[in-house]
Amino acid sequence: KNEVEQSPQNLTAQEGEFITINCSYSVGISALHWLQQHPGGGIVSLFMLSSGKKKHGRLIATINIQEKHSSLHITASHPRDSAVYICAVRSESRIGNQFYFGTGTSLTVIP
Amino acid sequence: DAGVIQSPRHEVTEMGQEVTLRCKPISGHDYLFWYRQTMMRGLELLIYFNNNVPIDDSGMPEDRFSAKMPNASFSTLKIQPSEPRDSAVYFCASSPGLAGGRGSYEQYFGPGTRLTVT
Repeated sequence: KNEVEQSPQNLTAQEGEFITINCSYSVGISALHWLQQHPGGGIVSLFMLSSGKKKHGRLIATINIQEKHSSLHITASHPRDSAVYICAVRSESRIGNQFYFGTGTSLTVIP
Repeated sequence: DAGVIQSPRHEVTEMGQEVTLRCKPISGHDYLFWYRQTMMRGLELLIYFNNNVPIDDSGMPEDRFSAKMPNASFSTLKIQPSEPRDSAVYFCASSPGLAGGRGSYEQYFGPGTRLTVT
Protein backbone atom coordinates (compact mmCIF):
# COMPACT_ATOMS: atom_id res chain seq x y z
CA LYS A 1 0.00 0.00 0.00
CA ASN A 2 1.29 3.45 -0.91
CA GLU A 3 1.85 5.88 1.91
CA VAL A 4 0.18 8.57 -0.22
CA GLU A 5 -3.00 7.98 -2.21
CA GLN A 6 -4.51 10.48 -4.62
CA SER A 7 -7.92 10.57 -6.21
CA PRO A 8 -9.04 10.73 -8.85
CA GLN A 9 -6.24 9.46 -11.06
CA ASN A 10 -7.68 11.22 -14.07
CA LEU A 11 -10.08 14.12 -14.24
CA THR A 12 -11.68 15.92 -17.16
CA ALA A 13 -13.57 19.13 -16.55
CA GLN A 14 -15.26 21.87 -18.54
CA GLU A 15 -13.73 25.32 -18.39
CA GLY A 16 -15.13 27.22 -15.42
CA GLU A 17 -15.86 24.18 -13.27
CA PHE A 18 -14.76 23.89 -9.66
CA ILE A 19 -12.24 21.09 -9.29
CA THR A 20 -11.17 19.10 -6.25
CA ILE A 21 -8.24 16.71 -6.05
CA ASN A 22 -7.82 14.62 -2.93
CA CYS A 23 -4.80 13.26 -1.13
CA SER A 24 -4.79 10.83 1.78
CA TYR A 25 -1.69 9.67 3.59
CA SER A 26 -0.93 7.04 6.19
CA VAL A 27 2.22 8.37 7.86
CA GLY A 28 2.75 11.10 10.39
CA ILE A 29 3.88 14.16 8.52
CA SER A 30 5.52 17.47 9.17
CA ALA A 31 4.45 18.99 5.86
CA LEU A 32 2.53 18.26 2.71
CA HIS A 33 3.37 19.58 -0.76
CA TRP A 34 1.24 20.01 -3.85
CA LEU A 35 3.23 19.97 -7.07
CA GLN A 36 2.10 20.78 -10.59
CA GLN A 37 3.65 19.25 -13.68
CA HIS A 38 2.73 20.71 -17.03
CA PRO A 39 2.65 18.71 -20.26
CA GLY A 40 6.07 20.11 -21.12
CA GLY A 41 7.44 18.30 -18.08
CA GLY A 42 8.46 21.12 -15.74
CA ILE A 43 7.48 20.74 -12.09
CA VAL A 44 6.38 23.64 -9.93
CA SER A 45 5.73 23.62 -6.22
CA LEU A 46 2.26 25.07 -5.62
CA PHE A 47 1.86 24.80 -1.87
CA MET A 48 3.56 23.58 1.23
CA LEU A 49 1.14 23.00 4.12
CA SER A 50 1.41 21.83 7.68
CA SER A 51 -2.03 22.94 8.85
CA GLY A 52 -5.15 24.80 7.80
CA LYS A 53 -5.56 26.32 4.41
CA LYS A 54 -3.60 28.31 1.84
CA LYS A 55 -4.73 30.23 -1.22
CA HIS A 56 -2.85 31.41 -4.30
CA GLY A 57 -5.10 33.02 -6.87
CA ARG A 58 -7.64 30.41 -8.01
CA LEU A 59 -5.90 27.60 -6.14
CA ILE A 60 -6.79 26.61 -2.60
CA ALA A 61 -5.16 23.86 -0.56
CA THR A 62 -6.48 22.52 2.70
CA ILE A 63 -5.18 19.95 5.11
CA ASN A 64 -6.77 18.05 7.98
CA ILE A 65 -3.98 16.59 10.09
CA GLN A 66 -6.33 14.47 12.24
CA GLU A 67 -7.93 12.86 9.21
CA LYS A 68 -4.61 12.67 7.29
CA HIS A 69 -6.20 14.25 4.27
CA SER A 70 -5.56 17.19 1.99
CA SER A 71 -7.49 18.68 -0.88
CA LEU A 72 -6.45 20.90 -3.74
CA HIS A 73 -9.23 23.03 -5.17
CA ILE A 74 -9.22 24.97 -8.42
CA THR A 75 -11.92 27.57 -8.84
CA ALA A 76 -13.07 28.76 -12.28
CA SER A 77 -10.85 26.19 -14.00
CA HIS A 78 -9.12 27.10 -17.23
CA PRO A 79 -7.47 25.00 -19.96
CA ARG A 80 -4.07 26.22 -18.80
CA ASP A 81 -4.72 24.38 -15.51
CA SER A 82 -4.38 21.13 -17.45
CA ALA A 83 -1.49 19.35 -15.80
CA VAL A 84 -0.60 16.52 -13.47
CA TYR A 85 -0.97 17.41 -9.81
CA ILE A 86 1.18 15.49 -7.35
CA CYS A 87 0.76 15.27 -3.60
CA ALA A 88 3.90 14.67 -1.55
CA VAL A 89 4.42 14.43 2.19
CA ARG A 90 7.45 14.90 4.38
CA SER A 91 7.76 12.72 7.43
CA GLU A 92 10.43 13.12 10.06
CA SER A 93 12.29 10.02 11.19
CA ARG A 94 15.45 9.10 13.07
CA ILE A 95 17.56 9.37 9.93
CA GLY A 96 16.06 12.65 8.83
CA ASN A 97 13.22 13.58 6.53
CA GLN A 98 11.43 10.91 4.50
CA PHE A 99 9.45 11.94 1.43
CA TYR A 100 6.53 10.04 -0.05
CA PHE A 101 4.72 10.81 -3.29
CA GLY A 102 1.30 10.15 -4.71
CA THR A 103 1.05 8.88 -8.28
CA GLY A 104 -0.52 12.09 -9.46
CA THR A 105 -3.86 13.27 -10.79
CA SER A 106 -3.99 14.09 -14.48
CA LEU A 107 -6.33 17.03 -15.04
CA THR A 108 -7.64 18.07 -18.44
CA VAL A 109 -9.76 21.20 -18.68
CA ILE A 110 -11.72 21.45 -21.90
CA PRO A 111 -12.56 24.88 -23.35
CA ASP B 1 18.47 33.75 -9.78
CA ALA B 2 18.44 31.36 -12.73
CA GLY B 3 16.73 28.64 -10.76
CA VAL B 4 17.93 25.07 -10.57
CA ILE B 5 20.08 24.23 -13.55
CA GLN B 6 20.42 20.72 -14.92
CA SER B 7 22.56 19.38 -17.70
CA PRO B 8 22.31 17.84 -20.12
CA ARG B 9 18.63 18.32 -20.95
CA HIS B 10 18.61 15.21 -23.09
CA GLU B 11 20.95 12.24 -23.06
CA VAL B 12 20.86 9.23 -25.32
CA THR B 13 23.34 6.50 -24.62
CA GLU B 14 23.92 2.84 -25.21
CA MET B 15 23.49 0.16 -22.61
CA GLY B 16 26.61 -0.32 -20.57
CA GLN B 17 27.85 3.24 -20.89
CA GLU B 18 28.42 5.54 -17.96
CA VAL B 19 26.01 8.45 -17.64
CA THR B 20 26.57 11.55 -15.52
CA LEU B 21 23.80 14.01 -14.82
CA ARG B 22 24.60 17.39 -13.34
CA CYS B 23 22.74 19.83 -11.15
CA LYS B 24 23.39 23.33 -9.89
CA PRO B 25 21.01 24.23 -7.06
CA ILE B 26 19.75 27.68 -6.25
CA SER B 27 22.39 29.62 -4.38
CA GLY B 28 21.84 29.56 -0.62
CA HIS B 29 19.66 26.48 -0.62
CA ASP B 30 20.71 23.87 1.93
CA TYR B 31 18.85 20.89 0.48
CA LEU B 32 19.28 19.14 -2.85
CA PHE B 33 17.08 16.33 -4.13
CA TRP B 34 17.42 13.90 -7.01
CA TYR B 35 14.23 12.40 -8.43
CA ARG B 36 13.40 9.96 -11.18
CA GLN B 37 10.12 9.98 -13.06
CA THR B 38 8.76 7.18 -15.22
CA MET B 39 5.31 6.42 -16.54
CA MET B 40 5.20 3.20 -14.57
CA ARG B 41 6.38 4.43 -11.19
CA GLY B 42 5.68 8.14 -11.25
CA LEU B 43 7.96 10.48 -9.34
CA GLU B 44 10.45 8.79 -7.01
CA LEU B 45 12.91 10.38 -4.65
CA LEU B 46 16.34 8.82 -5.18
CA ILE B 47 18.52 10.69 -2.70
CA TYR B 48 18.72 13.99 -0.94
CA PHE B 49 21.54 16.03 0.56
CA ASN B 50 21.58 18.53 3.39
CA ASN B 51 24.57 20.87 3.46
CA ASN B 52 26.32 18.62 0.93
CA VAL B 53 25.89 15.52 3.09
CA PRO B 54 23.75 12.63 1.80
CA ILE B 55 20.91 12.14 4.28
CA ASP B 56 18.74 9.46 2.75
CA ASP B 57 19.73 7.37 -0.26
CA SER B 58 17.17 4.64 0.31
CA GLY B 59 15.55 5.49 -3.01
CA MET B 60 18.67 4.76 -5.03
CA PRO B 61 17.69 1.67 -7.00
CA GLU B 62 20.98 -0.21 -6.88
CA ASP B 63 24.74 0.06 -6.74
CA ARG B 64 24.91 1.21 -10.32
CA PHE B 65 23.60 4.57 -9.12
CA SER B 66 25.74 6.99 -7.17
CA ALA B 67 25.34 10.65 -6.27
CA LYS B 68 27.82 13.19 -5.01
CA MET B 69 27.72 16.76 -3.86
CA PRO B 70 31.30 18.00 -3.64
CA ASN B 71 30.23 21.55 -2.81
CA ALA B 72 27.13 23.63 -2.20
CA SER B 73 26.74 24.60 -5.85
CA PHE B 74 27.10 21.30 -7.67
CA SER B 75 25.85 17.73 -7.59
CA THR B 76 26.12 14.76 -9.89
CA LEU B 77 24.09 11.61 -10.35
CA LYS B 78 26.02 8.85 -12.04
CA ILE B 79 24.78 5.59 -13.53
CA GLN B 80 27.41 2.99 -14.33
CA PRO B 81 26.73 0.82 -16.23
CA SER B 82 23.48 2.16 -17.64
CA GLU B 83 20.61 -0.14 -18.61
CA PRO B 84 17.50 0.44 -20.76
CA ARG B 85 15.30 0.36 -17.64
CA ASP B 86 17.11 3.47 -16.41
CA SER B 87 15.41 5.47 -19.15
CA ALA B 88 13.46 8.18 -17.39
CA VAL B 89 13.37 11.88 -16.67
CA TYR B 90 15.68 12.79 -13.81
CA PHE B 91 14.85 15.90 -11.85
CA CYS B 92 16.99 17.83 -9.44
CA ALA B 93 15.38 20.13 -6.90
CA SER B 94 16.67 22.38 -4.15
CA SER B 95 15.11 23.77 -1.02
CA PRO B 96 16.12 26.58 1.34
CA GLY B 97 16.03 24.45 4.47
CA LEU B 98 15.40 25.65 7.99
CA ALA B 99 16.79 29.09 7.28
CA GLY B 100 14.12 29.58 4.65
CA GLY B 101 11.36 30.49 7.09
CA ARG B 102 7.93 30.04 5.58
CA GLY B 103 9.25 28.21 2.56
CA SER B 104 11.79 26.16 4.44
CA TYR B 105 11.13 22.92 2.60
CA GLU B 106 9.49 24.31 -0.48
CA GLN B 107 11.19 22.67 -3.40
CA TYR B 108 12.30 24.32 -6.61
CA PHE B 109 12.67 21.93 -9.48
CA GLY B 110 15.06 21.98 -12.39
CA PRO B 111 13.84 21.32 -15.93
CA GLY B 112 14.91 17.68 -15.81
CA THR B 113 17.21 15.50 -17.88
CA ARG B 114 15.50 13.07 -20.22
CA LEU B 115 17.67 9.95 -20.33
CA THR B 116 17.24 7.30 -22.97
CA VAL B 117 19.32 4.15 -22.76
CA THR B 118 19.18 1.98 -25.88
